[in-house]
This record gives sequence, structure tokens and C-alpha cells, in this order.
Amino acid sequence: EADIYQTPRYLVIGTGKKITLECSQTMGHDKMYWYQQDPGMELHLIHYSYGVNSTEKGDLSSESTVSRIRTEHFPLTLESARPSHTSQYLCASSGDRENQPQHFGDGTRLSIL
Amino acid sequence: KNQVEQSPQSLIILEGKNCTLQCNYTVSPFSNLRWYKQDTGRGPVSLTIMTFSENTKSNGRYTATLDADTKQSSLHITASQLSDSASYICVVSDRGSTLGRLYFGRGTQLTVWP
Repeated sequence: EADIYQTPRYLVIGTGKKITLECSQTMGHDKMYWYQQDPGMELHLIHYSYGVNSTEKGDLSSESTVSRIRTEHFPLTLESARPSHTSQYLCASSGDRENQPQHFGDGTRLSIL
Repeated sequence: KNQVEQSPQSLIILEGKNCTLQCNYTVSPFSNLRWYKQDTGRGPVSLTIMTFSENTKSNGRYTATLDADTKQSSLHITASQLSDSASYICVVSDRGSTLGRLYFGRGTQLTVWP
């Protein structure tokens, strides 16, 4: 229902590889977010962006980096994957008004061997 | 410390029955409270958003209530269906920043049996 897409849905890869998780939205939202979620645990904000060329770190320290050179695109990169990076990564976007919901993608489940 | 606590952690009910999920929070200042439904392997989907002045909001068979004085919310599901099986997440937003920081609960895992 929400027009926000994440690829890949699943990724199993070896230690030391460079990984980019893709996130795109077609709703024209300025605000975008990356969350990390482990089974049975709450979502933790790792990065967010207010708009093009704006990126900030979230509450949970992460070795990943993000970029926002286009409104619709907010990729997350891990330069050298480690087993501790194994988790589910969820991307979201929202409009500018305070009481608007966040729209989530279906996530990327990442497993580092 | 700003926190969101949900109960029960998990719940099993029979199809057609009603159930109520609880959310207690300590977030201050308060902006709004959201309930999301997260199906297994999917991203969360918004069910309701309530501000300080709203004490109830419905979305089909889902009805959320908010008591801002006691900092409690509940999500009532009427005539449950198998498709209601999911994790239900309570999220509270503060007024503290332009971002409107969100505090997430760990969710209640609901299973509906036929």
C-alpha cells in the first residue's frame, strides 16, 4: 500500500564484503529513516535525513553510512560487513507535518557469515 | 528515562474473539501516540495516530484509546480474524525536536487460532 521499496529483501554474505541496502520512495517525502530491528526487540533509529544532502546519525551507534543525493533515494552502506551486523534493516519515510505516520518498507534481512 | 512498555508480550486468542493490548509510556513532553501492525517479514503499517486531545480513534475493527493523564493507551481488536496475527507496536512521539523523536515499544505478538 505504501510506495516505499527496499532491495534486496534477503542478503547472506561473507565477512569483509561491502554492502549497500537500497531504499526508494515515490511519495515525495523529505524525511527518511533507517531502523535496525532484532527479533522480539524494538526498532532502533540508526540514520535519518530531512532532505537532499541532509543526513544525521540516530540513537543507535552504527558503523553504516548513508547518503541522500536524491529525494526519493536513501541507500545505506556497510564498508566491511561483520557478523555483528546481522539484523533486519527497515527504511521509512514521512511527510513534514508532526502527526503524519511513517511509511515503512518491508525491510532487508541481512546475515553476515 | 523515556520508555514505552507493552503488555502482554504475547497473546493467543481464538478467531472471532476480542482482545485488548496495553501500552504504558513515560515519554515527556508528549506529542502523539501511534499503533502499528507488523506482519511477519514485513514492515510496520500505521493503524492509528492520536494526539493529546484525542482519547479514542478507530480504524475498522481496531479501536485505540489514550489516557494522557495516566500515560496509558490500549488497542482493542474486535471479532478477530486470522489475518490479525501480527506484532502490534506502540510508538510515542515527543515534542522535543523538529524530528519529533519516536520511542518504540517491543510489541505484543498476537496469534489468532481458527
